[in-house]
Amino acid sequence: DVKVTQSSRYLVKRTGEKVFLECVQDMDHENMFWYRQDPGLGLRLIYFSYDVKMKEKGDIPEGYSVSREKKERFSLILESASTNQTSMYLCASNRLAVGETQYFGPGTRLLVL
Amino acid sequence: AQTVTQSQPEMSVQEAETVTLSCTYDTSENNYYLFWYKQPPSRQMILVIRQEAYKQQNATENRFSVNFQKAAKSFSLKISDSQLGDTAMYFCAFMKRSGANSKLTFGKGITLSVRP
Repeated sequence: DVKVTQSSRYLVKRTGEKVFLECVQDMDHENMFWYRQDPGLGLRLIYFSYDVKMKEKGDIPEGYSVSREKKERFSLILESASTNQTSMYLCASNRLAVGETQYFGPGTRLLVL
Repeated sequence: AQTVTQSQPEMSVQEAETVTLSCTYDTSENNYYLFWYKQPPSRQMILVIRQEAYKQQNATENRFSVNFQKAAKSFSLKISDSQLGDTAMYFCAFMKRSGANSKLTFGKGITLSVRP
């Protein structure tokens, strides 16, 4: 079974703090994704990566950056957290092939005070 | 750009009955994939069913089936014999067939409640 894990289920941070969200997958998937989930808005893609050290912006990259130093690990970084980044963050991964299903982690619910 | 529309924010169904969740999409692509994902309360998002647009036959997975109407750009999910464990948020999603970066475009989701 594919396993995608995220470092925290719940996180509370202060405005202006630097926040790291970590995601690890154990299936040797090339692609990894970070989404943000908000009520009434569905899931929106923040960034994705198709290889180590490679990244591409998604639909809402502003205020975020990412790091992928190892194939199995994809980090989302909030350089200076703001209250409008309070949200649920979902990580996903899949193989680098056409039409491949994405597998999701359990999510991190981030509250920025 | 692709868009996915789930117009019903919430639905409710009696246990053991059948329910249909609607989804429409807009794209200029001819080849693509469509997905339904399920997100139970406080639990991980999982794949329910996947449809390849170039296949005429509607996908089925046990109690879950789709009605894929390519010309109408409609992709509804039918859940038969609803169970309490079907209570969840359901997302419809679109993926282009070209390229291997496999980005998904999601609808806003629908909250389904199954009543005992």
